[in-house]
Amino acid sequence: EVQLVESGGGLVQPGGSLRLSCAASGFTFSSYEMNWVRQAPGKGLEWVSYISSSGSTIYYADSVKGRFTISRDNAKNSLYLQMNSLRAEDTAVYYCVRGYMDVWGKGTTVTVSS
Amino acid sequence: DIVMTQTPLSLSVTPGQPASISCKSSQSLLHSDGKTYLYWYLQKPGQPPQLLIYEVSNRFSGVPDRFSGSGSGTDFTLKISRVEAEDVGVYYCMQSIQLPLTFGQGTRLEIK
Repeated sequence: EVQLVESGGGLVQPGGSLRLSCAASGFTFSSYEMNWVRQAPGKGLEWVSYISSSGSTIYYADSVKGRFTISRDNAKNSLYLQMNSLRAEDTAVYYCVRGYMDVWGKGTTVTVSS
Repeated sequence: DIVMTQTPLSLSVTPGQPASISCKSSQSLLHSDGKTYLYWYLQKPGQPPQLLIYEVSNRFSGVPDRFSGSGSGTDFTLKISRVEAEDVGVYYCMQSIQLPLTFGQGTRLEIK
């Protein structure tokens, strides 16, 4: 079964950091581009970041550029999102999404609050 | 950035009746490879979005045939031929022809 499982969310103070992880299974992870998409409470969907299958090409939404870093470890079938300088507006459920935007994880919740 | 505009933003439908959602993009979603990169998702309460339709009109694996997508260029439509109780949730269109990927505001479907 194709599956994506996110972890690493939690409560963090403004200015703090978190590292999200996404464990992939059921498909050849190294062959797929990957994305992070987030959803603030009661709001719509916002694309956050993209990484190519090899990790050589990366893009970010303007809202997180310079603060978030996407990475992957194909040997571990894992995707990561390092989030620094967190703000209240980063509060959201963060989804790991396969590159064709066809498979989504269940998400991990990040809350930025003092 | 490409802006995706959905209408209506909410829909109340009697079971067994049809439903239709429109999605308009601010730029053409037709790529030079001949494909049009418009997707439709349903987010059921408490769940992540699930893919219904990819590249305008292709149903994803396991999606009932009462769901259909159509359109071209900048104008797209999702149709449900006969709404069922399990179709409740928020429907989103999304474009992937260019980054940033952008989504419509969402259309909430409820059952009368």
